[in-house]
Amino acid sequence: QVQLVQSGAEVKKPGSSVKVSCKASGGSFKSFALTWVRQAPGQGLDWMGGAIPFFGTPNYSQKFQGRVTITTDESTGTAFMELTNLTSEDTAVYYCARDRGENWGSRYIHYSMDVWGTGTTVIVSS
Amino acid sequence: QSVLTQPPSVSAAPGQNVTISCSGNSSNIGSNYVSWYQVLPGTAPKRLISENNQRPSGIPDRFSGSKTGTSATLGISGLQTADEALYYCASWDNSLNGGQGWVFGGGTKMTVL
Repeated sequence: QVQLVQSGAEVKKPGSSVKVSCKASGGSFKSFALTWVRQAPGQGLDWMGGAIPFFGTPNYSQKFQGRVTITTDESTGTAFMELTNLTSEDTAVYYCARDRGENWGSRYIHYSMDVWGTGTTVIVSS
Repeated sequence: QSVLTQPPSVSAAPGQNVTISCSGNSSNIGSNYVSWYQVLPGTAPKRLISENNQRPSGIPDRFSGSKTGTSATLGISGLQTADEALYYCASWDNSLNGGQGWVFGGGTKMTVL
């Protein structure tokens, strides 16, 4: 059974960057898609981007385009989400989640986000 | 503004049945699956419903999901105090600001009276 364990809380200065890790146990990122979602205080869930094996480069939300980078280190079974040029509005809990679905020809059919990471709190403050 | 539309809040007494609606359009709910998530304070989202109406193992059959056209509904029967939480719908969107991605509803606060 896949579990996703994320890195610990971070406190960052405005203008800096944060890199959150997501380590999979009981499975490999070679075999499943991973997505990143954040929840700011008092706000709803906000999709940031994701990566699907065999489908090329990660896919990013326009809202974060240019500031977010998703990578995977298959040797350690760890995925990373880096967000740059932080502002106070980036204060949030960041989650990785398995994007459950199936390949359908040249498309990936997305069913749901079935396994969620432990969450990483990022606070941006001067 | 969330792409999917949910009521901000619903409330009911223990034992009653409630529904939460989720409205989208042809590029998301109309052409992709809907899933539902429960969020308790300080915890990660928990998947309740997958693929419109599929209940994963371990989720009580008090929870149900349905989809018609560009709308979906989460049903909770026999409401319990433990059901007091935030509930979110989600769907893949094929035409999201020139790209594709997951979209969520704004969340519905369930209050058990």
